[in-house]
Amino acid sequence: EVQLGESGGGLVQPGGSLRLSCAASGFIFSSYWMSWVRQAPGKGLEWVANIQRDGSEEYYVDSVKGRFTISRDNAKKSLYLQMNDLRAEDTAVYYCAGAGGWLRFDLWGRGTLVTVSS
Amino acid sequence: EIVMTQSPATLSVSPGERATLSCRASQSVSSNLAWYQQKPGQAPRLLIYDASTRATGIPVSFSGSGSGTEFTLTISSLQSEDFAVYYCQQYNNWPLTFGGGTKVEIK
Repeated sequence: EVQLGESGGGLVQPGGSLRLSCAASGFIFSSYWMSWVRQAPGKGLEWVANIQRDGSEEYYVDSVKGRFTISRDNAKKSLYLQMNDLRAEDTAVYYCAGAGGWLRFDLWGRGTLVTVSS
Repeated sequence: EIVMTQSPATLSVSPGERATLSCRASQSVSSNLAWYQQKPGQAPRLLIYDASTRATGIPVSFSGSGSGTEFTLTISSLQSEDFAVYYCQQYNNWPLTFGGGTKVEIK
């Protein structure tokens, strides 16, 4: 069974850091572009970051550039998102998503909630 | 950044009726467009990619059309499980962008 499972969310103060993880199983992880997509409470979807299959290329939405870093470990079938200098507007459910084809998201995790608040 | 605009924001439809959802891009995205369905408390699910190709396991009642800047998702006969929020997403240019969503509700 294909699965993506996020972890690492929680409550953090503004300016703090958090590292999200996503464990993959049931598919060839190294064949997928992987992404983080977030959804603020009651709002729509926002793409956050992408990483190429071999980790050689990374892309970010402007609002997180310089603060967030996406990475992957294909041997461990895991995706990560290091989030620094967190702001209230980063509060959202963060989904791990996989793209088997060109950047459309075939696979989704259940999400992990990040709350940035003092 | 390519802005994706979905209309209407809310669509009220009776079960068994047809629903037509629109998505407009601020510049051409060719056919690099996907549609997703999201139900409350769940992750999104890919329905359509490349503007008109159904994803694995998606019923034939869902169809997509369009290219360039104008796209349409049609649900031919709404079932109870189809009432949800639908998002379009372009993957032609960075940053990847989603539309604001159309909520399909029971009339």
